[in-house]
Amino acid sequence: SAVISQKPSRDICQRGTSLTIQCQVDSQVTMMFWYRQQPGQSLTLIATANQGSEATYESGFVIDKFPISRPNLTFSTLTVSNMSPEDSSIYLCSVPTESTDTQYFGPGTRLTVL
Amino acid sequence: EDQVTQSPEALRLQEGESSSLNCSYTVSGLRGLFWYRQDPGKGPEFLFTLYSAGEEKEKERLKATLTKKESFLHITAPKPEDSATYLCAVLGSYNTDKLIFGTGTRLQVFP
Repeated sequence: SAVISQKPSRDICQRGTSLTIQCQVDSQVTMMFWYRQQPGQSLTLIATANQGSEATYESGFVIDKFPISRPNLTFSTLTVSNMSPEDSSIYLCSVPTESTDTQYFGPGTRLTVL
Repeated sequence: EDQVTQSPEALRLQEGESSSLNCSYTVSGLRGLFWYRQDPGKGPEFLFTLYSAGEEKEKERLKATLTKKESFLHITAPKPEDSATYLCAVLGSYNTDKLIFGTGTRLQVFP
């Protein structure tokens, strides 16, 4: 399975500011996924990040709020823009395996917005 | 619309008391059903992938089974270190690579 790291592991931010979360994988992958897990809830897909093309966003998520970069096959960033307390969540990246549909998750970034 | 429902929401067990967690799903063309374990403040840890009805997989005290409508995660003689939230997710044929997650079962095992 892939080894996935995320930075930062946690942060406390003021409303109106932006935070960029990094996701690094130890092998080259075509797709990377970004999820949000709000307090007490399950995971919701934000967008799919493909190298060399624009990210594909799920219903309810827009690029202006969650811009994503995918500069190469091992790295992606998710920015949470103009934050409000409702953005307080755990943000997770994941990657699928090449041979199966299984997705492996990073350790997550716990974001608190005051 | 693809949907996953997990029950119970929370489960308290005495150490050694076996039980089962349920995951009911509705999906257009199941490509896979996945079980994850999540500890507080951490990312989900992959446990099992099941692809077709009748399939079973085991790992230590855990056994996952699959039917056409639901999956069970059986926990045999649990230990306190098995305490975690267990998440079920499905991958359907028409949503490409989008995992649909249930809300999870929070398991607490007491010594």
